[in-house]
Amino acid sequence: GQQVMQIPQYQHVQEGEDFTTYCNSSTTLSNIQWYKQRPGGHPVFLIQLVKSGEVKKQKRLTFQFGEAKKNSSLHITATQTTDVGTYFCAGDTGNQFYFGTGTSLTVIP
Amino acid sequence: GAGVSQSPSNKVTEKGKDVELRCDPISGHTALYWYRQSLGQGLEFLIYFQGNSAPDKSGLPSDRFSAERTGGSVSTLTIQRTQQEDSAVYLCASSFGGGAWETQYFGPGTRLLVL
Repeated sequence: GQQVMQIPQYQHVQEGEDFTTYCNSSTTLSNIQWYKQRPGGHPVFLIQLVKSGEVKKQKRLTFQFGEAKKNSSLHITATQTTDVGTYFCAGDTGNQFYFGTGTSLTVIP
Repeated sequence: GAGVSQSPSNKVTEKGKDVELRCDPISGHTALYWYRQSLGQGLEFLIYFQGNSAPDKSGLPSDRFSAERTGGSVSTLTIQRTQQEDSAVYLCASSFGGGAWETQYFGPGTRLLVL
C-alpha cells in the first residue's frame, strides 16, 4: 500500500488565506523533502528536513518534521497567486524513496 | 493495480561501463518522467515522455544519457561510459495524461553507485 500519505489532495483558498498540507509515513524516515510543481512545469526541490522536530522557514513557507520522524507539514502564510501548484513530499527511509501523491493548491484572486 | 516499478533497485558498476535502468509505469499512464537525485541534493528532472515520444529532453545532463520508451509503456534510461558523478538515485514517475495538474506517481528508484 501507499507508504506516504499526503492530505488534502486538493485545496482551494482565497488569496491571503493560509494553507497547510500534511505528509504522513507508516515508517520512520531518515529525511523528508518537499517539492513544488508549477502548472506545466516539473517538480522543483524546496527543502530537506533531517532532524526530529526540525522547523525551517522560507519566507512565507514553514516546514516542520515531526518528533517521531514519521510526519511533516508545509504551511504557507497569506497565500499569493504565485503559490499555485502541486506540493508534494518525499520521504527517504534510507532504502527507498516514497513520494506523497501531492496537494494541488489553487489560489483564487 | 500495481504502482510504478523500477529495476534494478540497486546497481553497482565500474567507471566506464554502460548501465540500463528500467521503469514500468502504471498501466494506462501515458506520461512518464525520469528524475535523479544526487546525494544531498533535490530532485533533478531528466526527461519526459508522452506516449513514445519525448517532447522534453532538456534535463539530460550529457550525451552519455539516453532514454527510450516503447509501446507507450516500459522505458529504459541508458547511461554510457558511466562516471562517478553519475552516482545517484534514479527515479521514474508516471501520470495518466501528463497534464499540469495530474499527480505523478513515483517508483521506488534505482540506486546507482559508480566506483
